[in-house]
Amino acid sequence: RKEVEQDPGPFNVPEGATVAFNCTYSNSASQSFFWYRQDCRKEPKLLMSVYSSGNEDGRFTAQLNRASQYISLLIRDSKLSDSATYLCVVNKGNYGQNFVFGPGTRLSVLP
Amino acid sequence: EAQVTQNPRYLITVTGKKLTVTCSQNMNHEYMSWYRQDPGLGLRQIYYSMNVEVTDKGDVPEGYKVSRKEKRNFPLILESPSPNQTSLYFCASSTDRGRRTYNEQFFGPGTRLTVL
Repeated sequence: RKEVEQDPGPFNVPEGATVAFNCTYSNSASQSFFWYRQDCRKEPKLLMSVYSSGNEDGRFTAQLNRASQYISLLIRDSKLSDSATYLCVVNKGNYGQNFVFGPGTRLSVLP
Repeated sequence: EAQVTQNPRYLITVTGKKLTVTCSQNMNHEYMSWYRQDPGLGLRQIYYSMNVEVTDKGDVPEGYKVSRKEKRNFPLILESPSPNQTSLYFCASSTDRGRRTYNEQFFGPGTRLTVL
């Protein structure tokens, strides 16, 4: 079993749709959690960190359920520019720098 | 401009010929990492460094070496490359802003390596 698993995708949605990404992790000692975005052939960039209380940034909402070892990302009112691969990232906690990336879920927002 | 740079961006080499991929950051970050990205496997951490002269293995360190003699540089060394090291490599850096495990990582543009 992979340490971090995500919906396999791809997701093809129309503009304006709401789309949800799911992620599970296996290491219960994991300390911190993130969603990164990666455009084709480019470097990953931080979308948002995921805190225990849940957090929102504009159209993006992230949730964390430590008991279920589950992380989610919700995108509302999706835009064409949201098309990318979304990576779930978990910090395993060894000195705070041992990061594990999920395989990613590709999103295509269609006009 | 704050950035992480990698060189070369593209490299084709042959099995067994030692190579070094350089990584440099100008943000005075303490932490640096190397990753490889392969289809279906996502990014996997090769090595990371907490600061000068402090490095540790990630999840896939076999066949790689690193050094951190200066804070800004974190080269990745392949002593004897093999075809299974053909991949897209990313360097990343981050800093401790008081919430150590919630550091944002800044990635370089990537190095596409092909080993024949």
